[in-house]
Amino acid sequence: DAGITQSPRYKITETGRQVTLMCHQTWSHSYMFWYRQDLGHGLRLIYYSAAADITDKGEVPDGYVVSRSKTENFPLTLESATRSQTSVYFCASSEIQVYTEAFFGQGTRLTVV
Amino acid sequence: RKEVEQDPGPFNVPEGATVAFNCTYSNSASQSFFWYRQDCRKEPKLLMSVYSSGNEDGRFTAQLNRASQYISLLIRDSKLSDSATYLCVVNILTGGGNKLTFGTGTQLKVEL
Repeated sequence: DAGITQSPRYKITETGRQVTLMCHQTWSHSYMFWYRQDLGHGLRLIYYSAAADITDKGEVPDGYVVSRSKTENFPLTLESATRSQTSVYFCASSEIQVYTEAFFGQGTRLTVV
Repeated sequence: RKEVEQDPGPFNVPEGATVAFNCTYSNSASQSFFWYRQDCRKEPKLLMSVYSSGNEDGRFTAQLNRASQYISLLIRDSKLSDSATYLCVVNILTGGGNKLTFGTGTQLKVEL
């Protein structure tokens, strides 16, 4: 199916474990983004990527790692999960033009216990 | 100071009312501007882009004031279905490319 998909939709993990959230888009969009959303903070940018093999830090990158070996995939890894990383994570993609719309995945609800 | 700031609300308005939201941004290098809508923690979706000349889409009007660095959204004749969180979004061109930055959102509740 065309679009942007995130997996898993829900995840419960223990403190200290490594977790990878997957994001896949079928449009060949240049840009991809990872956000986390918490009450009172809105959507905060974790990492973004302008193209394959190009990534840059956003507002809250600490504790997260990203890679982009292929245009269509942009996985987000929590190297050692902490309770403060309990959140809803959204992945998005957009074309390269500055006025273009960003499309979001349905989100991953992550709970760290 | 946050790069994009919004009043979180909630704005509780009766059906049929006109309501306006404002958003301010701090980076004068911001390239483009948008309003997104988000329902009940679902994924955000584009409501409309915001242009310097102002733009209108049905009951929705968006304005951009670059000199004062603020963006506004006006909703006329509010419907119950307009109840949602409205997110102000700014696209800033950085060394890493386009960086989409969101405000915290303004919650709107339209009541009978």
